[in-house]
Amino acid sequence: QSALTQPPSASGSPGQSVTISCTGTSSDVGGYNYVSWYQQHPGKAPKLMIFEVSKRPSGVPDRFSGSKSGNTASLTVSGLQAVDEAEYFCSSYAGTNNFHVVFGGGTKLTVL
Amino acid sequence: EVQLVETGGGLVQPGGALRLSCSVSGFTFSTYVMNWVRQAPGKGLEYVSAISTNGASTYYADSVKGRFTISRDNSKNTLYLQMSSLRPEDTAVYYCVKDAPAYSFDYWGQGTLVTVSS
Repeated sequence: QSALTQPPSASGSPGQSVTISCTGTSSDVGGYNYVSWYQQHPGKAPKLMIFEVSKRPSGVPDRFSGSKSGNTASLTVSGLQAVDEAEYFCSSYAGTNNFHVVFGGGTKLTVL
Repeated sequence: EVQLVETGGGLVQPGGALRLSCSVSGFTFSTYVMNWVRQAPGKGLEYVSAISTNGASTYYADSVKGRFTISRDNSKNTLYLQMSSLRPEDTAVYYCVKDAPAYSFDYWGQGTLVTVSS
């Protein structure tokens, strides 16, 4: 069982927006602004999409945005495109020591 | 161009050992914390281990503590994961991952599959 809870699936039609949640506790998501989101296409390595709750690395489209409220972080994908269909994982610093990171179980995003 | 290339995966019997290597290029290896993250078939990501820039500090997930050892050779730009007393539940693709700001990971290798089975 993963430390962070994500819905197993989400879906939307092209052009629509979809939001994926990631729920933790006050010891991880709620305690730090160190939530990241990763996109993984089948057979590929994960790709960093969001870090520090809402920051986008260079090259990531601004259709991807992140936010956090309490113990729940969210990833919103706006203007859905077929290429966005993938698995999305959240992660958070968990504060046990300088390295401790926990992941969510992943959400399969389907573009209808 | 940043590249991380893992090698050393394969089929091993329960109780056996394996050493993974990750050869890195395209960035100054010695200045970054490095990590191993694994993904069991059809499952999510699991943070396995991390090592500080000079190797003095390490971290292990409870699931591998006492069985896995992470190390690095900054002169060879290479990260290692020595795995022993392997169990079927260690079966996974193991990714070598570069640290990035705010406890995120910005570059991942292609992964190497470790299968523990008799």
